[in-house]
Amino acid sequence: DTEVTQTPKHLVMGMTNKKSLKCEQHMGHRAMYWYKQKAKKPPELMFVYSYEKLSINESVPSRFSPECPNSSLLNLHLHALQPEDSALYLCASSQRDLSSYEQYFGPGTRLTVT
Amino acid sequence: KQEVTQIPAALSVPEGENLVLNCSFTDSAIYNLQWFRQDPGKGLTSLLLIQSSQREQTSGRLNASLDKSSGRSTLYIAASQPGDSATYLCAARRGGNEKLTFGTGTRLTIIP
Repeated sequence: DTEVTQTPKHLVMGMTNKKSLKCEQHMGHRAMYWYKQKAKKPPELMFVYSYEKLSINESVPSRFSPECPNSSLLNLHLHALQPEDSALYLCASSQRDLSSYEQYFGPGTRLTVT
Repeated sequence: KQEVTQIPAALSVPEGENLVLNCSFTDSAIYNLQWFRQDPGKGLTSLLLIQSSQREQTSGRLNASLDKSSGRSTLYIAASQPGDSATYLCAARRGGNEKLTFGTGTRLTIIP
């Protein structure tokens, strides 16, 4: 099973709302990632968790707050977002195996901030 | 800083033709390179991963090559089908680092 699941598929939120995106994998991967993708652009890395610890934060604004409760689950908490934060948010996971690091992506959450 | 470029940005070919997609990277100190396809509004599907010690990888009608010295990778698609229409992205991983640097993508259209 090489599946990464993400919920919800679509999310519309106001600038004063608080919402969360959820990502789950059951492949035993110990690295998990959040990416943001704007239309017709490649994905941009936001955060990397390795063994449930935050290892990379690509200078993401604090209105995005990641959380990794366990090795299978990754959340992205959203608060006071701006309309320019509207995008496709992608989660990915990979082994921390020196022979691989192949990343598997979920289907994404389409976020619209109004 | 690693920069990854894919040219052309868009490509249209008739069904049945063989085609090559190009990926160039500026820093040859890569750990591996991964090719993905992305359908509109969807997530990324991993196609092939080439380790830095490998020259090529094959999966079905797809063949990816890697030339670190010239900073290039190619994705060869044989006997193209309309279902191959998608955006193809390459991404390079730096050695010992978990960050992927994505290329700008090639939007491929196969004309029936």
